[in-house]
This record gives sequence, structure tokens and C-alpha cells, in this order.
Amino acid sequence: NAGVTQTPKFRILKIGQSMTLQCTQDMNHNYMYWYRQDPGMGLKLIYYSVGAGITDKGEVPNGYNVSRSTTEDFPLRLELAAPSQTSVYFCASRDGVASPYEQYFGPGTRLTVT
Amino acid sequence: KNEVEQSPQNLTAQEGEFITINCSYSVGISALHWLQQHPGGGIVSLFMLSSGKKKHGRLIATINIQEKHSSLHITASHPRDSAVYICAVRSTGGADGLTFGKGTHLIIQP
Repeated sequence: NAGVTQTPKFRILKIGQSMTLQCTQDMNHNYMYWYRQDPGMGLKLIYYSVGAGITDKGEVPNGYNVSRSTTEDFPLRLELAAPSQTSVYFCASRDGVASPYEQYFGPGTRLTVT
Repeated sequence: KNEVEQSPQNLTAQEGEFITINCSYSVGISALHWLQQHPGGGIVSLFMLSSGKKKHGRLIATINIQEKHSSLHITASHPRDSAVYICAVRSTGGADGLTFGKGTHLIIQP
């Protein structure tokens, strides 16, 4: 039972490069989220999805894009990496039915942009 | 002003002490979460509350909806309880997703 998985665990990017952070969940959850965690700050919502084909912006969406073509996958795309995007990124999911508000977190991706 | 405020930000205590971490929020909520994060580690859900009190082992979480306040208590604290404890709320308005406090960094010394 893998739960929420994220790849890669660590990545160093140069300014201007692009990359995709992968997130997959095997719990058939409709709701999926991307958060970023900066030192000394609370996690902030980047994007979320309430089901396949539906995505919406959170609090800090600038510089990111997402897609949700399947229930399982919710990749986060950085098109032109900037030092301000250095952070730890967490993906999360929730059922929305049986335990509607319980969120399950992935292990995180630590990204450094230099 | 942050919508979710935690106190204290840092707490160092001796093994065996009773620990209390507080969380206040300023928005209407449908649920409040207490989460645990070990250094360099992932985030684990400890409790989800919408009213009253919950207990898991040595951990107790309470919430007062009228006062918009929640507390996390640890009884008979142990060095393995050392971690960052995060309060998060699901608002009744706005975007789906959680709004997080900055966390309380707890160190339990043997």
C-alpha cells in the first residue's frame, strides 16, 4: 500500500530550467493538492484538483502549472525555475467521501534553484 | 495577521513532562488537523477534529469552536516525541485545501 508517492526526492535546478515534480496516489482519491514549505513558514497551497480534468489555483500559483489527466497522477510543472522556488514540495490527497477531510501527504521533494 | 497562529514557536522540555501546544484561528472551519513532522521527514496526520476531544495513546487534542482555539497535549513526553507539530485548518470558504500554522518545534531532552 504505497499511499502518496513523490519523485524525485531531491533536485537541484539552474535558474531558467524546467522540471516536473511527480505525484501519484493509489487510494482512488478525488482530491489532490500541492503545497510548498519554506523555512520558518507554514505550508502554502499552490494548486489543487477535485477530480480528473479539474484543477484550480491556491494561494501561491505563480510560476507553476498542473494537470490532472487521471485520478492517480497530479504532476506539478515549473517552467522557468527561479531561486524563489527553492522549497520543499508536498503532494497530498483526500477521499472526500468516506473520511472527507483526512489528508494524506507524500514524503516531499526538496528542490534547490541556483 | 496569519489565519492560523501557533504557540509556542519553540519548546524544550525534559522527558516525562506534560506538553501543551496551542493553536488559534480566525476563520470559520469545517475541520482542524494536528500534524507531526520529523526533521527532514514527511508529514503525518495525528488528529482531525471538528468538535470536542480525541485521544491516541499519550496524545490528546481538544478544540473549542466558539473560541476558535485548539490544544495538543502530550503526556509523559519522550525524546522520540521531538518533532515539529503543525496545526492546520480547513476553511469553510475560499479554496479547497488546508491553511497551516508555522509549526511548533518541540525538543524533549532525556
